[in-house]
Amino acid sequence: NAGVTQTPKFRILKIGQSMTLQCAQDMNHNYMYWYRQDPGMGLKLIYYSVGAGITDKGEVPNGYNVSRSTTEDFPLRLELAAPSQTSVYFCASSTGTASYEQYFGPGTRLTVT
Amino acid sequence: DQQVKQNSPSLSVQEGRISILNCDYTNSMFDYFLWYKKYPAEGPTFLISISSIKDKNEDGRFTVFLNKSAKHLSLHIVPSQPGDSAVYFCAASLLGQGAQKLVFGQGTRLTINP
Repeated sequence: NAGVTQTPKFRILKIGQSMTLQCAQDMNHNYMYWYRQDPGMGLKLIYYSVGAGITDKGEVPNGYNVSRSTTEDFPLRLELAAPSQTSVYFCASSTGTASYEQYFGPGTRLTVT
Repeated sequence: DQQVKQNSPSLSVQEGRISILNCDYTNSMFDYFLWYKKYPAEGPTFLISISSIKDKNEDGRFTVFLNKSAKHLSLHIVPSQPGDSAVYFCAASLLGQGAQKLVFGQGTRLTINP
């Protein structure tokens, strides 16, 4: 049981490039989340999904897109990367509304220069 | 608009003593509060939680206290151990649009000195 996995661990992008951050979980969780953490700050919710085919915006969705075609995978797409998107990105999953605990992946450190 | 605040960026405590981490919130609609622990280069891991209808929850060395009238919660670690050195995040849960969404504080870096 690997839990929540994220790839890549690190990435450097040039301004204007695009990329997809991968997230997968093997716990059969319906709920999945993407957060970003800037230095000295808490985690902020980018997008979340309550099941395959259903996604919704969080607090800071601008510049990102998501899709959820399977229960296991929840990729985050960055279009036209900007320096403001330099951050550490965490994916998380949970069982549903009755469970408050979210399980986090190890994170992807992204630098946009 | 910072709904969850941890006003102490860092805390240093001697091994064996009590560590007290504090958190304040503004939204009275939060229904659950959680503490997460984070080591460098790892994702946050769940530590302990408390429902908004309770005022205390204990799990081994960790106790969380909730004061709803003051909109304040605290995490007590007794006794503190070197392995407790990490960043601790307070998070509050809000139910909306079919999902429990977490709002995080900025974190407090706890250092346990031998």
